[in-house]
Amino acid sequence: DAGVIQSPRHEVTEMGQEVTLRCKPISGHDYLFWYRQTMMRGLELLIYFNNNVPIDDSGMPEDRFSAKMPNASFSTLKIQPSEPRDSAVYFCASTSTGSGNTIYFGEGSWLTVV
Amino acid sequence: AQSVTQPDIHITVSEGASLELRCNYSYGATPYLFWYVQSPGQGLQLLLKYFSGDTLVQGIKGFEAEFKRSQSSFNLRKPSVHWSDAAEYFCAVAGRSGSARQLTFGSGTQLTVLP
Repeated sequence: DAGVIQSPRHEVTEMGQEVTLRCKPISGHDYLFWYRQTMMRGLELLIYFNNNVPIDDSGMPEDRFSAKMPNASFSTLKIQPSEPRDSAVYFCASTSTGSGNTIYFGEGSWLTVV
Repeated sequence: AQSVTQPDIHITVSEGASLELRCNYSYGATPYLFWYVQSPGQGLQLLLKYFSGDTLVQGIKGFEAEFKRSQSSFNLRKPSVHWSDAAEYFCAVAGRSGSARQLTFGSGTQLTVLP
């Protein structure tokens, strides 16, 4: 089975530009998570969805960040406008009740904002 | 709120030596516990997990971890380290209820393996 698929794997963008990160969770999983990893803050949860509905977005750093899950097989994390301090690795992960809460991670999207 | 402490930021061991990485958690009940490994430039790979039952759990790559409720610990061990084990290791905790399924990670332990 395919794992969690993220795109792009790497992106370099200029400050002020819009960035869209994409995620395809494992088929059948009903929970989807977006994490951010930085040297300073480690791995932190940004937002998570259950059955396509956002459950907890308290980790979203500010209004420049938004996330959507229009259907069970696709989610986006958008940053508009981007700033250099947004440079990080963004991980998408998914799980389901049936998988015993084992959370599977994608390979990450490595974002650099210059 | 749940939290995880990994007291060792960096550990160095010689190849073939035994390894123990420490993890302490804070949670109101018995949580789900996980160890993930991250190689440079890579994503997070699940090593092992504890949900219930036997408190000694076996994982991939020869790793094991022991859940000790009395100490709120979930330490990761390996009897003989290989050079390919050099990576960063993260302990994580998750709640058992639907609203607490998200993982809370420790700050990670960077493992260096000497030849």
